[in-house]
Formats: sequence, C-alpha cells, structure tokens
Amino acid sequence: GAVVSQHPSRVICKSGTSVKIECRSLDFQATTMFWYRQFPKKSLMLMATSNEGSKATYEQGVEKDKFLINHASLTLSTLTVTSAHPEDSSFYICSARPVAGTASYEQYFGPGTRLTVT
Amino acid sequence: QKEVEQNSGPLSVPEGAIASLNCTYSDRGSQSFFWYRQYSGKSPELIMSIYSNGDKEDGRFTAQLNKASQYVSLLIRDSQPSDSATYLCAVNPGRRALTFGSGTRLQVQP
Repeated sequence: GAVVSQHPSRVICKSGTSVKIECRSLDFQATTMFWYRQFPKKSLMLMATSNEGSKATYEQGVEKDKFLINHASLTLSTLTVTSAHPEDSSFYICSARPVAGTASYEQYFGPGTRLTVT
Repeated sequence: QKEVEQNSGPLSVPEGAIASLNCTYSDRGSQSFFWYRQYSGKSPELIMSIYSNGDKEDGRFTAQLNKASQYVSLLIRDSQPSDSATYLCAVNPGRRALTFGSGTRLQVQP
C-alpha cells in the first residue's frame, strides 16, 4: 500500500517551454500533497503544499507564477514549470499524505521527475 | 539553529556491524518522527515511524525516541552493503509539512 506515482520520470525541454509533472496517490486518498526539489548531493527543499480544492501554499522564495500547482482531486496533483530555464533543472519529487488515522502524518514519496532544461 | 540536525557523514561501518544514526530536533511540540532512506538518484522511502518515547523495532531496524532530550535515532543491525544510502530524519513540528534533516550518508563496507 501507500504507492505514489509520478509522471514523467525524466523530461528534457528547451528553455522557455513549460513542463507539467503529475503526482498520483494510487491506493489512498490524499487531501495534502507536497512538492520538493532536490539538487545533486543536497537536501530536499519543500517548494509548496498542495491542498485539494484550494490554492497551494508556497514556501518563501518560490515563485507561484512560475511553479503552478493544481490539486484537482484527492489522488492527483500537478506541478507545471512555466517558461523553464536551465537553472530550473533539478530533481522534482512529490509526496502525499493519507487522509486520516495515525498514518496521516506519514508522507509517501513518488519516484521523482528529473527535469533537464537545455 | 536548524530545526532538524543530522551529522552529514559519511558514517562508515563494516558489513555485519550495527550502524547508529542520530538526529536532534528543536521543536518540543513535535509529535511524529520518521526515518527515510534515499539511494543516490532516487526518491526517499519511508522505513520507520515512531510516535512515543522508547524503542520501536522492525526487522533489522530499531528507532529510538527520547522527547525530553529531543533526540531520535535509528539503529541498523547486521548492516549490509545494500543499506548504503542517505538516511533522512523527519519531524512533524505541528505544521502541515514534515521538516527534514539534511541526511546522514551511510557506507557499509563489504
């Protein structure tokens, strides 16, 4: 149980284009999903908290107009990197938290999406 | 002071030994504590959760929590080369997202 999928796993795009990354909880419902990015040999950096049916909460320094988040259902959140630039190249990882129970504080991670902007 | 602190390592142990990973946290209101394992180039995988003081064992893994000392640890018995990874300590400080430490890199020498 507690499986989270992400799609695509890898994407290469040209500078100035937009990229959409999907995060799905496959066997549980998640009112809250989280988006992280991670640079090589660095720690996870929380970008935003995605809430089903409401606006995402962005961490300080993260541009909400550049990283668009949509949490359309209890099992799907999307991150769109708009007008991507080479400095946006990174490993983007989502995580999801089950709706209820003591496990509601646990977060399960998707496999990640490696974005390369050329 | 960082909210969750871990020694970055690398922590090197021989195969078959016990690996001891430590973590301290600053928010006394924290109620939930987790250990994640992350292999290079992969996403974190939840391996242990602990909510109350004391020890919690799961196979070769034992999590230890001491809320008075604001300290949580992970012991890995009979360490295997496949345990070589970065181990992330995570704490729920009452806000919605977990707070992660920067991780300890473990190397198990065959």
